[in-house]
Amino acid sequence: ETGVTQSPTHLIKTRGQQVTLRCSSQSGHNTVSWYQQALGQGPQFIFQYYREEENGRGNFPPRFSGLQFPNYSSELNVNALELDDSALYLCASSEGSSGANVLTFGAGSRLTVL
Amino acid sequence: RKEVEQDPGPFNVPEGATVAFNCTYSNSASQSFFWYRQDCRKEPKLLMSVYSSGNEDGRFTAQLNRASQYISLLIRDSKLSDSATYLCAVTRMEYGNKLVFGAGTILRVKS
Repeated sequence: ETGVTQSPTHLIKTRGQQVTLRCSSQSGHNTVSWYQQALGQGPQFIFQYYREEENGRGNFPPRFSGLQFPNYSSELNVNALELDDSALYLCASSEGSSGANVLTFGAGSRLTVL
Repeated sequence: RKEVEQDPGPFNVPEGATVAFNCTYSNSASQSFFWYRQDCRKEPKLLMSVYSSGNEDGRFTAQLNRASQYISLLIRDSKLSDSATYLCAVTRMEYGNKLVFGAGTILRVKS
């Protein structure tokens, strides 16, 4: 059973650029959630995808967008990058969309915006 | 006020000590509660779910107090390998019952 994999692991961008982060969910999981974790903070919920539809969104601006594909993998896109977007971006998969479902996290993509 | 609050620590304890962390949450409608462990520069990993009746897993005991809106984690006989950040997480109805995390409590166990 493969776990959650994310790519790239590290990347550096400049302000105003766009970035796409990718996530492959754990086998058997149909739900993907994305979190942003700034240094010294807990993960902050960005949004969740369930069966290719957005299923809940946190307090993030529209320049944060995503997709889920038929194989349940997912992308997170961030446009017009700002310095405060520098963070660890975590993808988590689960068997369902309920909050009671246990999340399995990937190792994250560490984004630095200069 | 943050929705989920934790004492950031760090808690510096000797091996073998018992240490307890509390986490308070503001949304009384929260339904599910968890403790996650996060090692430095790694992803969070589920430590245990927290049930109303309280639950124990080896050296770890979790408690939920709905009336006072807090959850706790007790670690007995601390090991060096317990050094990590402990994140509590609760569900938030406004997010479609998705998890909201606290900022974490740092534990350092020293020999």
